[in-house]
Amino acid sequence: QVQLVQSGSEVKKPGSSVRVSCKTSRDTFSNYAITWVRQAPGQGLEWMGRIIPFVGMTNYAQKFQGRVTITADQSTTSAYMDLSSLTSEDSATYYCTRADCSGNSCYYQHWGQGTLVIVSS
Amino acid sequence: DIQLTQSPSSLSASVGDRVTISCRASQSIGIFLNWYQQKPGKPPKLLIYASSNLQSGVPSTFSGSGSGTDFTLTISGLQPDDFASYYCQQSYSPPYTFGQGTNLEIK
Repeated sequence: QVQLVQSGSEVKKPGSSVRVSCKTSRDTFSNYAITWVRQAPGQGLEWMGRIIPFVGMTNYAQKFQGRVTITADQSTTSAYMDLSSLTSEDSATYYCTRADCSGNSCYYQHWGQGTLVIVSS
Repeated sequence: DIQLTQSPSSLSASVGDRVTISCRASQSIGIFLNWYQQKPGKPPKLLIYASSNLQSGVPSTFSGSGSGTDFTLTISGLQPDDFASYYCQQSYSPPYTFGQGTNLEIK
């Protein structure tokens, strides 16, 4: 059974940073890209970026360039999403998801449970 | 970045109805288009991948079609469990953007 287990909820001050972790299995870490998606309350899904751990490659949405860093740690088979310079607009549920592929077509079948981040003074 | 525009943004329907949700891409994306269902407080659930491939375990009342820039999700015979939000997502080139969503409500 594929599992992605995320860290718990966070409350942060404006201007600070947050780190959300996503614990995976060794199989997932070694063979799949991990993507971060966020969803503000009552809003849609927003693709933030991804990491392919076994090649160390990252891609970020332009909206988050310079503010988001996605990393992966082989020793813990975990992916991490760091978001800096937080504002109230960053209050959202953050999901990690694994990219499964059939041929050249990739999709998100397995998701973490979500991590609620609240930014408030 | 590739923009995805879904229509309608919201939809009211009754159990047993047939509904169609559209997703238009800002440039051609071949068949690299996926559909998800999401219920409150839960992560999205994959329904359709590569435009028309039904994910294992998803009822056959769901179907997808399209290629290039225009795609459709059809639900034939709405069930009570189908009232949720629906999102398209492109996997053609990063960033792998989502549509803004369609909220399907009970009439």
